[in-house]
Amino acid sequence: EIVLTQSPGTLSLSPGETATLSCRASQSVSGNSLAWYQQRPGQPPRLLIYDASRRAPGIPDRFSGSGSGTDFTLTISRLEPEDFAVYYCQQYDSSPPLTFGGGTKVEIK
Amino acid sequence: EVHLLESGGGLVQPGGSLILSCAASGFTFNNYAMNWVRQAPGEGLEWVSGISGRSGRTFYADSVKGRFTISRDNSKNTLSLQMNSLRADDTAIYYCAKVLTSVTATIAGKYFFGSWGQGTLVTVSS
Repeated sequence: EIVLTQSPGTLSLSPGETATLSCRASQSVSGNSLAWYQQRPGQPPRLLIYDASRRAPGIPDRFSGSGSGTDFTLTISRLEPEDFAVYYCQQYDSSPPLTFGGGTKVEIK
Repeated sequence: EVHLLESGGGLVQPGGSLILSCAASGFTFNNYAMNWVRQAPGEGLEWVSGISGRSGRTFYADSVKGRFTISRDNSKNTLSLQMNSLRADDTAIYYCAKVLTSVTATIAGKYFFGSWGQGTLVTVSS
């Protein structure tokens, strides 16, 4: 099972700043089979990024993904008020099981 | 527009059973793998089970294997999850999730989720 570790646990930033979120895998994720989701309070998750760097349909270009192997990054540029939420990474290289990281909360400073 | 509507959640005693359903619309149901993902109160996401689009091949997390059964009825555009021998740690919101890409572009079992329902709450308690 691939374990995903997200850091930091909480990120305190102001609107307009850039958020950099990390997702580290316990073993190499081949094919860049990694996705990122956003979850706002009381809402289901929303797919942002798949294949490590491809934006899902309808996702603004403020969101970008990068990385390979065991280290992946989600960058959110020019934070908007609606971007303050919890973000999860998920690997789909080694399955079952599909696994998620523990999440990073981006909060308003 | 994709629409996924879960139902069947509720309060059940430990050791009991429950069936969750997910009614799907807005896409060609049998062309897409479907999954259940759960979230315990205040916790992160946990993948539970998945089923491929046409062959009906199934996949389970170890935590539910042997207790839960996923199935789909492509004629009714419905996904189901039969949950038996429920435990307190099964308490969670259960989300129905559709993969982003169709069967021709998806490797069985290697799923990520393009659309989610609003979820249904399952509480296991005496």
